[in-house]
Amino acid sequence: KAGVTQTPRYLIKTRGQQVTLSCSPISGHRSVSWYQQTPGQGLQFLFEYFSETQRNKGNFPGRFSGRQFSNSRSEMNVSTLELGDSALYLCASSLGRTANEKLFFGSGTQLSVL
Amino acid sequence: QKEVEQNSGPLSVPEGAIASLNCTYSDRGSQSFFWYRQYSGKSPELIMFIYSNGDKEDGRFTAQLNKASQYVSLLIRDSQPSDSATYLCAVSRIFGNEKLTFGTGTRLTIIP
Repeated sequence: KAGVTQTPRYLIKTRGQQVTLSCSPISGHRSVSWYQQTPGQGLQFLFEYFSETQRNKGNFPGRFSGRQFSNSRSEMNVSTLELGDSALYLCASSLGRTANEKLFFGSGTQLSVL
Repeated sequence: QKEVEQNSGPLSVPEGAIASLNCTYSDRGSQSFFWYRQYSGKSPELIMFIYSNGDKEDGRFTAQLNKASQYVSLLIRDSQPSDSATYLCAVSRIFGNEKLTFGTGTRLTIIP
């Protein structure tokens, strides 16, 4: 069974640009969550999508947005990039039936903003 | 005060000894508690979860939960060099579909 796939693995952008990250969950999983990981702040929750609807949202500015498609694949978009957006972006999938299910993480996208 | 707090370490433990990792949380409504292991350059991997007060054992790992004191711990017995990693504590409310809140993690090094 294939795991959670995130693309691209690495990304370098400059300030002011926008970026789109992609996540393909494990087959059969309907929930996709996105997290930002930085050395100082650890893993911070961005948002969660279930059946194409945003079900939970963290405390990030509106520059961070996402969506989920009918096949459960999800994309995350960051507009007007800032230096502080440099981080590892992880997506995690689960069946999505309860809040306490095991999350399966992808390998992440390492974003560097110059 | 952070919602989930962990000592960042590094915590150094001799091989074969018991490694003890601690986590405190501020939300008394938290009902579910998870420990994730993250090797350097890799993604987090769930190793233990606990919902009820007391101890839960799985092989060399034991999770301990004390809701009254709002702390959860992870004990690793017979520590092996392969246990060297960052351990992340995460909590969530059981009702509804609430997000997982992670601590910043404790870096554990097992010394051969």
